[in-house]
Amino acid sequence: RKEVEQDPGPFNVPEGATVAFNCTYSNSASQSFFWYRQDCRKEPKLLMSVYSSGNEDGRFTAQLNRASQYISLLIRDSKLSDSATYLCVVNMNRDDKIIFGKGTRLHILP
Amino acid sequence: DADVTQTPRNRITKTGKRIMLECSQTKGHDRMYWYRQDPGLGLRLIYYSFDVKDINKGEISDGYSVSRQAQAKFSLSLESAIPNQTALYFCATSFTGGPSDTQYFGPGTRLTVL
Repeated sequence: RKEVEQDPGPFNVPEGATVAFNCTYSNSASQSFFWYRQDCRKEPKLLMSVYSSGNEDGRFTAQLNRASQYISLLIRDSKLSDSATYLCVVNMNRDDKIIFGKGTRLHILP
Repeated sequence: DADVTQTPRNRITKTGKRIMLECSQTKGHDRMYWYRQDPGLGLRLIYYSFDVKDINKGEISDGYSVSRQAQAKFSLSLESAIPNQTALYFCATSFTGGPSDTQYFGPGTRLTVL
């Protein structure tokens, strides 16, 4: 099993729809989880942390499922500006090693 | 002004040439990283440094070297560039005491080796 795995997509979603994607991780001892956003040819930027109890930031909701070892990102009322690649990041808790997923591409269609 | 800057932003070079990519930051962070990004392969860590006297190899350090000249500067060198080093290179920073997974990236350097 890969350390961090994401569906590469692309997810093609009409504007206004809700979309969700997951990221699985292999190390059960992992402690910290994040979603980054990367626009085409730009640098990754932190979107949000993922807390054990789940957390919400506006239209974005992140959740953690430790039993099944995955995190999820849900985007409600999607906007054209949400089109990007979403990177899952996991801190493996070994020497503070963090692993980036390869990303999930999202296209919001007008 | 950007907190993390990279120079050059784009570079085309030939096989066998020596190339240096530079990264500077004004965030006051002690930790700095170099990644490369290739289509379908995601971000891969090349080297990282937790302070001026600390250098560590990442996942794919072969063919690369680094220098941490000061807390604010971290440079990446390709001693003899080869075509499979064509990629988008990112520098990033974080700080001790904060989550190392919260990283701040520079704008990237697009390197093409012919």
